[in-house]
Amino acid sequence: QSALTQPASVSGSPGQSITISCTGTSSDVGAYDYVSWYQQHPGKAPKLVIYDVTNRPSGVSNRFSGSKSGNTASLTISGLQAEDEADYYCTSYTSSNTYVFGIGTKVTVL
Amino acid sequence: QVQLQESGPGLVKPSETLSLTCTVSGGSISNNYWSWIRQSPGKGLEWIGYIYFTGTTNYNPSLKSRVSISVDTSNNQFSLKLTSMTAADTAVYFCARGGGWWGSWGQGTLVTVSS
Repeated sequence: QSALTQPASVSGSPGQSITISCTGTSSDVGAYDYVSWYQQHPGKAPKLVIYDVTNRPSGVSNRFSGSKSGNTASLTISGLQAEDEADYYCTSYTSSNTYVFGIGTKVTVL
Repeated sequence: QVQLQESGPGLVKPSETLSLTCTVSGGSISNNYWSWIRQSPGKGLEWIGYIYFTGTTNYNPSLKSRVSISVDTSNNQFSLKLTSMTAADTAVYFCARGGGWWGSWGQGTLVTVSS
């Protein structure tokens, strides 16, 4: 099972919007609406920010939003803030009844 | 607010078996899926597998021959066993609530494989 493809890094200035892509195949991202996104600060456990493509858990800022088109899912962070600087990982359910993570994207706030 | 805490050895010798336990507090282990996920130093996340409170399991095919996850509902714990450990298994091991998305995580425990 190959890891989902994410850009190694994305950057933006405070207040801007950025989008992180997560590309899989027709056997994972493209086949199911079971994509979730995680934010991870250095030395910390990951934190769920989006599940089932578009759903935001209680307590997560509405600046985080998710979407999907074909084999690519996306996480958008609007109104970028310094605290958003972290690593972000996507994950998807697969046709093999397993789960695969993306390689991770480092978000830098300029 | 459920909390999870991993426990186990921080150092394992090559070829030995890793045993980790995750203790769940602030909620019941029943009626939920529980997972193990690991992260090699400086690398990304890898799903290891999950267990339902009834004992049903699902494992990453790349680890399936070496992994076993069990649950102890009486003590609100679930456990991971990974056999034939090698340096490639050196990682931070996280336990988490959920089977397909993970809303609560333990802090993680670093396991180093070295003689």
